[in-house]
Amino acid sequence: GAVVSQHPSRVICKSGTSVKIECRSLDFQATTMFWYRQFPKQSLMLMATSNEGSKATYEQGVEKDKFLINHASLTLSTLTVTSAHPEDSSFYICSARLPLEDTEAFFGQGTRLTVV
Amino acid sequence: DAKTTQPPSMDCAEGRAANLPCNHSTISGNEYVYWYRQIHSQGPQYIIHGLKNNETNEMASLIITEDRKSSTLILPHATLRDTAVYYCIVRVGDAGNMLTFGGGTRLMVKP
Repeated sequence: GAVVSQHPSRVICKSGTSVKIECRSLDFQATTMFWYRQFPKQSLMLMATSNEGSKATYEQGVEKDKFLINHASLTLSTLTVTSAHPEDSSFYICSARLPLEDTEAFFGQGTRLTVV
Repeated sequence: DAKTTQPPSMDCAEGRAANLPCNHSTISGNEYVYWYRQIHSQGPQYIIHGLKNNETNEMASLIITEDRKSSTLILPHATLRDTAVYYCIVRVGDAGNMLTFGGGTRLMVKP
């Protein structure tokens, strides 16, 4: 199946700094990618939909100025957590689908962010 | 997307079949049933999906009732590595449509 690669897999940063997470579709072009966040013992929650060449669409309650999404190419979307705080510590996961109907989504391996 | 209902947890003996149920009574005619699983601290993994007919692949079988209001994921010979949270999701097939995750079923495969 198609492969989505996410980097880094784990990051620890100091409070107040920014962290960038990359999501790449390795063998297909993804016009749309999705960013999820998952807190311990909870399900995945959609944060935003990343659209190549245009602004991301954010879910209600997600601060667009804090979670900057850039989808500059058909194979790369980035999520930047700006001015991170301990409450931003979470598991961040990206997803992409082949641009066809009736296909499954592929997920990155996730990024464990710890803000200290 | 239609809402799904799954039991929060299930146990299964290693080597036996694991049957995971999912209710989706409000499913629409153009919505597919997808199953994913998430092993601890990893991204979700696609398992199988279907629209009306039963489906089988190398990982599992998907049985969809005739009225499409419920389905069952079958892992024919569960192994310890199948211990994970299993998510049943219904959605339209549009490529731009995101997945909405519910609580899922935590399957524990025991020796």
